[in-house]
Amino acid sequence: DAGITQSPRHKVTETGTPVTLRCHQTENHRYMYWYRQDPGHGLRLIHYSYGVKDTDKGEVSDGYSVSRSKTEDFLLTLESATSSQTSVYFCAISPRVQETQYFGPGTRLLVL
Amino acid sequence: SQQGEEDPQALSIQEGENATMNCSYKTSINNLQWYRQNSGRGLVHLILIRSNEREKHSGRLRVTLDTSKKSSSLLITASRAADTASYFCATDGYSGGGADGLTFGKGTHLIIQP
Repeated sequence: DAGITQSPRHKVTETGTPVTLRCHQTENHRYMYWYRQDPGHGLRLIHYSYGVKDTDKGEVSDGYSVSRSKTEDFLLTLESATSSQTSVYFCAISPRVQETQYFGPGTRLLVL
Repeated sequence: SQQGEEDPQALSIQEGENATMNCSYKTSINNLQWYRQNSGRGLVHLILIRSNEREKHSGRLRVTLDTSKKSSSLLITASRAADTASYFCATDGYSGGGADGLTFGKGTHLIIQP
């Protein structure tokens, strides 16, 4: 998986609680992305980062925030989890824009 | 919004046969990528084809791109049971070089019958 890990791999939480998912890479790639995958929707971009402290919104960013204080770590935070955020979350990395993206193993999140 | 749309949504063939999946998209692209996802696992990159390329090969995989029709196809030859998976096309945003991420279709679920 191109040196990408995600933690936790599985999480069950309750509505209204904060949740942080971590993506860690050992490839020193500049670009990092968070996607969510839901049945009937494929993968959709949540947020992305084009460098340390440089982030921007994707297609479905409402209810999510991100931070990148180091090249290797990209954090996705659900400030107050809702049931609609139950999903599988994937992190991806890329060395350059318009190049192959390499995906992590995913995090399954269930919000009750 | 969904950029790529795969067709068919599901495909079941016998082992040894060829499998063809199609992808259509709506806006101009810089490149198109195909990914495979086994059940419950992450996505594995298969091929990237750039907008100025028409065909690309990788082992048993052949990808074509027709930018005039905004479509691509993925051909898997001599299929094996291990090819059973979902296949996704993904396009990048044509935004003057911005790192906008990929836009995925909903995928084709391929089943190879032994």
